[in-house]
Amino acid sequence: NAGVTQTPKFQVLKTGQSMTLQCAQDMNHEYMSWYRQDPGMGLRLIHYSVGAGITDQGEVPNGYNVSRSTTEDFPLRLLSAAPSQTSVYFCATTSSGGGRDEQFFGPGTRLTVL
Amino acid sequence: GNSVTQMEGPVTLSEEAFLTINCTYTATGYPSLFWYVQYPGEGLQLLLKATKADDKGSNKGFEATYRKETTSFHLEKGSVQVSDSAVYFCALSGSARQLTFGSGTQLTVLP
Repeated sequence: NAGVTQTPKFQVLKTGQSMTLQCAQDMNHEYMSWYRQDPGMGLRLIHYSVGAGITDQGEVPNGYNVSRSTTEDFPLRLLSAAPSQTSVYFCATTSSGGGRDEQFFGPGTRLTVL
Repeated sequence: GNSVTQMEGPVTLSEEAFLTINCTYTATGYPSLFWYVQYPGEGLQLLLKATKADDKGSNKGFEATYRKETTSFHLEKGSVQVSDSAVYFCALSGSARQLTFGSGTQLTVLP
């Protein structure tokens, strides 16, 4: 049981490049989210999903796309990277029922855009 | 929309001192409230949570009580240790389980 996995752990991009951050979970959780963490700003929600085929925007969605074709995977795509997207990205999942609201976080992807 | 206001840091304490980190929130409905901790170079770990008014969450000597009347969820510990040095985040969950975080409080405990 791996929990929540994220790949890669580190990535350096040049401005304008595209890439996909991977997130996978083996807990059969319906809810998945992407956050970015910037110094002094806590974590901010980028996109989230309440189940396969359903996604919605969070607080800072611009420049990012997501899709949810399976329960297990929730990739985050940067279409044209910008220096303002330099950040640490966390994927999280949570159970949908029983009042168990705990979110489980992946280890993060540290992205630098030059 | 939902928001969380957290005591600004950094906070530096001596070992065995009393810790309070203030957290207040604005939300519609009755959110669940959380404290997460992040140790250097690591992801976030759930420290404690409370799901309804007057609930007290506790873990590893830390406590926080869900106060609906003051919309607060302050984190306390009676005697901090060097190993408690970390960044602490207050958060609340929305209807789709997405979290709204405070800005985080850096705690350093000196021996």
